[in-house]
Amino acid sequence: DTGVSQDPRHKITKRGQNVTFRCDPISEHNRLYWYRQTLGQGPEFLTYFQNEAQLEKSRLLSDRFSAERPKGSFSTLEIQRTEQGDSAMYLCASSSGQGGNDGYTFGSGTRLTVV
Amino acid sequence: DQQVKQNSPSLSVQEGRISILNCDYTNSMFDYFLWYKKYPAEGPTFLISISSIKDKNEDGRFTVFLNKSAKHLSLHIVPSQPGDSAVYFCAASYTNAGKSTFGDGTTLTVKP
Repeated sequence: DTGVSQDPRHKITKRGQNVTFRCDPISEHNRLYWYRQTLGQGPEFLTYFQNEAQLEKSRLLSDRFSAERPKGSFSTLEIQRTEQGDSAMYLCASSSGQGGNDGYTFGSGTRLTVV
Repeated sequence: DQQVKQNSPSLSVQEGRISILNCDYTNSMFDYFLWYKKYPAEGPTFLISISSIKDKNEDGRFTVFLNKSAKHLSLHIVPSQPGDSAVYFCAASYTNAGKSTFGDGTTLTVKP
């Protein structure tokens, strides 16, 4: 198993463009999480799936953000009409148990820069 | 309002000595507490956790202590090794929760 994979590793986009990130979790893990991390801060929860169902979504996630996990396998996170404030590291994680209690396996992240 | 706080942005210790990383929380409803380690250009790696029914959990060189009355936990690393140099994040969650609330991290430097 190669762990949690995220693609791309880096993305530079112009303000107003749409971007999409992909996450492939560990195959046995049915729970998948998206977090965002800015410089000097800890990861901030965005959303969480159990299989294909999106169970929780942060109030911080504006309508410009959408996440999907079709068929309970890989997940995509789309940001529409990007703003400079969206520049951050986007981390995906997966777990077999409740990640908040048992811990996550994180991917290496996608670094987004909005210019 | 930040519910999980790591008040020391950085810590430097000598190889072989003890490293103590501290974390405070404000939400008494948190039931689980976790520590993650992060190297540059990598995602955080889960280290150790503790539930609120315990006051200590040990795994090799890593021990986490929980003081519920003080809403404080600490991670002890003994003995510290240069490879332990990383950013350490404290996180907290509720029972059966998917999400965790993270602190802003403490950068540990272990000098040879």
